[in-house]
Amino acid sequence: QPVLTQPPSSSASPGESARLTCTLPSDINVGSCNIYWYQQKPGSPPRYLLYYYSDSDKGQGSGVPSRFSGSKDASANTGILLISGLQSEDEADYYCMIWTRNVWVFGGGTKVTVL
Amino acid sequence: EVQLVESGGGLVQPGGSLRLSCAASGFTVSSYEMNWVRQAPGKGLEWVSYISSSGSTKYYADSVKGRFTISRDNAKNSLYLQMNSLRAEDTAVYYCARDSTVVLLDYWGQGTLVTVSS
Repeated sequence: QPVLTQPPSSSASPGESARLTCTLPSDINVGSCNIYWYQQKPGSPPRYLLYYYSDSDKGQGSGVPSRFSGSKDASANTGILLISGLQSEDEADYYCMIWTRNVWVFGGGTKVTVL
Repeated sequence: EVQLVESGGGLVQPGGSLRLSCAASGFTVSSYEMNWVRQAPGKGLEWVSYISSSGSTKYYADSVKGRFTISRDNAKNSLYLQMNSLRAEDTAVYYCARDSTVVLLDYWGQGTLVTVSS
C-alpha cells in the first residue's frame, strides 16, 4: 500500500509560520487527490483540521482557525499545511491523509515544536 | 453533539480474538460510512478498515485482511471490529472514525487499547 512522506519534525517560534509537507509517491498525482490534515496532541485522538483539493474546493474543520490552510505544490507532488502565526497550543503531531485505490493512507506524521 | 465511544479493548494472547465496539450518538450511523484506524504505542496512524453506510462494501488494510472483520448494526447505532488471529504487532489504540459526504474521518472516538502479549 502506498506511503505518504512527511518530515518527522518541524520547529518555529511563536508568531512565525510553519510549513508542513506531505509528499505523495510518484504513481499518485497530487492534483487528483483531496489532501486531508489532522492534528493530534498527546493523549488525545486526532482532530480533523481541513482538506484541500484546490482553491475552489477545500474545507475547514469546525472551529479550526483560519491560520491553518492547505495548498499543493504540483511540481513536487506534495500537499502542504501552512500554520500562520504559530501559537504554543499548535504544538502537536500533524498527519496528512489521502484516499486512493480503496485505502485510506496516512503520512508518518510531523511533530511541530513551538520554540 | 457527535460522539463516538469505543469499548472492548484489553489484553489478549497471541492467536486470540477480541471484538471492539463503537457506540455513536448525536448522529445516525446508518447515514454515514465508518472506519477503524489504529495507532501503535509511540507510532503514527494506520487505517484498518472501512464499511459503507449500507454495510455492503468493506475494505481492509493488507495487514489485517483475512483476520479482521468490520460490521455495523444500524439499529443499535454501532460499529464493530472482530479481530481474530491477533499478533503482537496488532497492539495499538483503536479508534473508530466517521466519514461524512465531503470529509473523511471528520469525527473520532477516544480510542480503546488492545494489547497482544503472552
